[in-house]
Amino acid sequence: GENVEQHPSTLSVQEGDSAVIKCTYSDSASNYFPWYKQELGKRPQLIIDIRSNVGEKKDQRIAVTLNKTAKHFSLHITETQPEDSAVYFCAAPGASGGYNKLIFGAGTRLAVHP
Amino acid sequence: ETGVTQSPTHLIKTRGQQVTLRCSSQSGHNTVSWYQQALGQGPQFIFQYYREEENGRGNFPPRFSGLQFPNYSSELNVNALELDDSALYLCASSLARAGITGELFFGEGSRLTVL
Repeated sequence: GENVEQHPSTLSVQEGDSAVIKCTYSDSASNYFPWYKQELGKRPQLIIDIRSNVGEKKDQRIAVTLNKTAKHFSLHITETQPEDSAVYFCAAPGASGGYNKLIFGAGTRLAVHP
Repeated sequence: ETGVTQSPTHLIKTRGQQVTLRCSSQSGHNTVSWYQQALGQGPQFIFQYYREEENGRGNFPPRFSGLQFPNYSSELNVNALELDDSALYLCASSLARAGITGELFFGEGSRLTVL
């Protein structure tokens, strides 16, 4: 079945530290892995994504790594800032039924303390 | 280019009532998906509309139904409301491309409270 598990559910770091969030997925045919950031009371917004033909992608302070063999992918945030505080969701494509259908993890609430 | 807009932003209903939520897609998008986000949870896929037809459905009962209009806007209807239907309902538009999964663009959501 379709399943995306995300850990940890909460993460608290000091400003300037790194944060890592991990996700596992069940469908070995999945080939697209986005990460969305949702600030309090706001809409989820894509911050970075990776496709299965690469193992790592970086955009300034954020990076995503993918291990297809183990069926897991991770979000890495370096030099965290208070504005990084939000809930982060990983996602993977649903096995069937619909264009751009995504299955989301339960989310990680990141708190960055000054 | 306008983003995804949803209405109403907040509403309160009682058990057994019916509700209609509305969504306008981002310009150039032809697919609308609806997600339910319970408090402290990730968005859960309800269904998707493409070319005015339902094109995929998650694990939601038939009392959740929808429509897509020729201008790609969409409605989500929920009948016989239950307390557990209280959630943030997110609409997401995207561009359908065969064989390629792409970005979802979310609206701000409609927060439904069922009493």
